[in-house]
Amino acid sequence: AQTVTQSQPEMSVQEAETVTLSCTYDTSESDYYLFWYKQPPSRQMILVIRQEAYKQQNATENRFSVNFQKAAKSFSLKISDSQLGDAAMYFCAYNWGNNNDMRFGAGTRLTVKP
Amino acid sequence: DAGVTQSPTHLIKTRGQHVTLRCSPISGHKSVSWYQQVLGQGPQFIFQYYEKEERGRGNFPDRFSARQFPNYSSELNVNALLLGDSALYLCASSRWGGTEAFFGQGTRLTVV
Repeated sequence: AQTVTQSQPEMSVQEAETVTLSCTYDTSESDYYLFWYKQPPSRQMILVIRQEAYKQQNATENRFSVNFQKAAKSFSLKISDSQLGDAAMYFCAYNWGNNNDMRFGAGTRLTVKP
Repeated sequence: DAGVTQSPTHLIKTRGQHVTLRCSPISGHKSVSWYQQVLGQGPQFIFQYYEKEERGRGNFPDRFSARQFPNYSSELNVNALLLGDSALYLCASSRWGGTEAFFGQGTRLTVV
């Protein structure tokens, strides 16, 4: 069964500092996709970054980057130069094939301190 | 372009009642998926519809049903509501085969 685990229920970071959120997953598939979604209090899930499993290069989107370790089934998110607007719930998610049966972790609540 | 829109935004129902939630996907997206997010947890997959056909179903009881219309909008129906059905219901749309799902703001359902 495909499962996603986020072991950090809460994290905090000082504004302008760097923070890393952890995610591990379990799958027997060889071709799949991994995502980090941000959910602010407004409730809308916003895609932060996406990684295709067949790509060895780690994805980067401005201040957000991932460390994808396929053999270890690990997919962490690094947020550099943290901003107050980064405060939110962050969910790691997994998807495979041509469907949207996405599996989500339990989430990490990120607090950014001014 | 408009994003994924869901209605209503909030809803309060009594145990045993029926509820219908609605979702309009992004223009050009033919796939709609529904998720249930209980407070403090990640979203759980309920259904996926594409071209008006069910393409996937999560581990939810038969009280949950859905359908997709010719314009690709979708309804999620829940019968015989239980207190445990209280949650945020999220709709996501995508192109078929697309790996990126775009979410609406959700419907907050409270069952009392």
